[in-house]
Amino acid sequence: GNSVTQMEGPVTLSEEAFLTINCTYTATGYPSLFWYVQYPGEGLQLLLKATKADDKGSNKGFEATYRKETTSFHLEKGSVQVSDSAVYFCALRWGFKTIFGAGTRLFVKA
Amino acid sequence: NAGVMQNPRHLVRRRGQEARLRCSPMKGHSHVYWYRQLPEEGLKFMVYLQKENIIDESGMPKERFSAEFPKEGPSILRIQQVVRGDSAAYFCASSPLDTDSGNTIYFGEGSWLTVV
Repeated sequence: GNSVTQMEGPVTLSEEAFLTINCTYTATGYPSLFWYVQYPGEGLQLLLKATKADDKGSNKGFEATYRKETTSFHLEKGSVQVSDSAVYFCALRWGFKTIFGAGTRLFVKA
Repeated sequence: NAGVMQNPRHLVRRRGQEARLRCSPMKGHSHVYWYRQLPEEGLKFMVYLQKENIIDESGMPKERFSAEFPKEGPSILRIQQVVRGDSAAYFCASSPLDTDSGNTIYFGEGSWLTVV
């Protein structure tokens, strides 16, 4: 069946450091891929998405590229800020069902 | 354009009581999804509904849990005879289409249930 695997957290970085959060997936067919972000006590907000192979999603300095050959959708940001501290979820959507990874908690220190 | 609205945001119930969580989808969205998030865990799919129809409830516990999305009014997730293990955040999401994989689902702020 379809599944999403994310790197385990927490990830702790200093401000302005480079961020990578790995995400790989298993899917039949060609799903759409998403990154969501969850701040404490809040719901999930869409961060970015890609709907087909080689698409790059980007938003607020974050980006991720849909890599069909490696079945990956790694999240990157060149320079993180304290305000980026949150939990990040990788997800895939095939048909009507959206499946989420376990989430990766990011702490950014000033 | 109002987002997905959930209420209550926080709910405390004693063991054995009933919990009712409500969700109004975004305007123009006719598909509703419920997810559960246990502390420090990811989101687990529970149920997918369209107006007056349950399309997929494969993630719903077999007992005590039910969901509906009536023709008029919000979607309701109902948990009867709650137990401590039901304590979690329950998130509702909505989308305008079901079979188009490119369509994003949009989440509400969640309802945090605490069973004491």
